[in-house]
Amino acid sequence: SAVISQKPSRDICQRGTSLTIQCQVDSQVTMMFWYRQQPGQSLTLIATANQGSEATYESGFVIDKFPISRPNLTFSTLTVSNMSPEDSSIYLCSVGLTGGSYGYTFGSGTRLTVV
Amino acid sequence: DAKTTQPTSMDCAEGRAANLPCNHSTISGNEYVYWYRQIHSQGPQYIIHGLKNNETNEMASLIITEDRKSSTLILPHATLRDTAVYYCIVRATTGANNLFFGTGTRLTVIP
Repeated sequence: SAVISQKPSRDICQRGTSLTIQCQVDSQVTMMFWYRQQPGQSLTLIATANQGSEATYESGFVIDKFPISRPNLTFSTLTVSNMSPEDSSIYLCSVGLTGGSYGYTFGSGTRLTVV
Repeated sequence: DAKTTQPTSMDCAEGRAANLPCNHSTISGNEYVYWYRQIHSQGPQYIIHGLKNNETNEMASLIITEDRKSSTLILPHATLRDTAVYYCIVRATTGANNLFFGTGTRLTVIP
């Protein structure tokens, strides 16, 4: 399975600022996803990062707040913009192969605290 | 939307088998059943998946009922390191490829 390097592992940010989270994979993958896990909650899908085109966002998430880049098949970034304390969460990158019955691999996550 | 129902929490004695149930009564013919677990402060870890037949790997066994409306994840000899939240997820092999997580089962292995 793919190995994911997610950076930073944690950060404390001031409200109103932005943070960019990086997801680097050691092999080319078709599918890349970004999830959010609020304190004590399950994972919620933010968006699917599409290579060479705009990301596909889930209901409740918008590009202005969570811009995503995916310049190639091994790298993606998620930016949390104009942060507020409500954005304090763990953000996780996940990768997989298209179709079939393959499982997905998750990064170790970025623990974000907004003060 | 999550298509599965799991108990909120379970306890299991160390060394005993842990049996985690999952209901997925609306599962479609092209949807697999996946199990992941999340140990505190880590990303979810893939455990096992199956379509119709029972499956076994080095981590666990997956028992799927004949009507596919429910399944059970079995950890044959639970250890303290198996304490985690276990998620049962159904996913189609075509169309949208993302995973939708429900609330999962918090398994506590007791010494």
